[in-house]
Amino acid sequence: DARVTQTPRDKVTEMGQEVTMRCQPILGHNTVFWYRQTMMQGLELLAYFRNRAPLDDSGMPKDRFSAEMPDATLATLKIQPSEPRDSAVYFCASGLGLSTDTQYFGPGTRLTVL
Amino acid sequence: AQTVTQSQPEMSVQEAETVTLSCTYDTSESDYYLFWYKQPPSRQMILVIRQEAYKQQNATENRFSVNFQKAAKSFSLKISDSQLGDAAMYFCAYRSAWGQGGSEKLVFGKGTKLTVNP
Repeated sequence: DARVTQTPRDKVTEMGQEVTMRCQPILGHNTVFWYRQTMMQGLELLAYFRNRAPLDDSGMPKDRFSAEMPDATLATLKIQPSEPRDSAVYFCASGLGLSTDTQYFGPGTRLTVL
Repeated sequence: AQTVTQSQPEMSVQEAETVTLSCTYDTSESDYYLFWYKQPPSRQMILVIRQEAYKQQNATENRFSVNFQKAAKSFSLKISDSQLGDAAMYFCAYRSAWGQGGSEKLVFGKGTKLTVNP
């Protein structure tokens, strides 16, 4: 049963610390999306990649957030330094990169910044 | 920019009954995709059903069906024979089709919390 995996599932950290979230897309998927879910803003795209190259990162705060794909099986989202307003659930989703594509979501990482 | 509106923050239904969740969207594009995702307390986002805008036929998946009204920009989800396991947040989402010049991102509504009463 192919699925997107994300680690850690939950993360509690203190303000100012670096946070790294990891995502393993479904094998064979070449498009990876990062979304953030908060009570106030709902679900919003942060960035997405195709074949490891960023296509749209307009939703990501550039001063503290960075997203990369070191290889085709790993996507990372880093926050440095973290702030309380970054507390949210961060979802990774992957797709085949087709025009008819459906995005399949991972279980999310719940981040709490104290 | 596209927007998605879910006007019902909460809905409830009796087990075995039918419930309809509403969704409207705003776009100037002619080709796009619409989705319903389910988010149970486990927080996993699960695809329920999808609809291609160029298809007139409404999509169905077992007990789940949609009423897609393109001219009215309406995309409602009907759940028949509701089960306790259907209790969750339901999100309506929009995605531009390729060639429309837009992003491939999903644009989500705020969600509808569905409670199923035994």
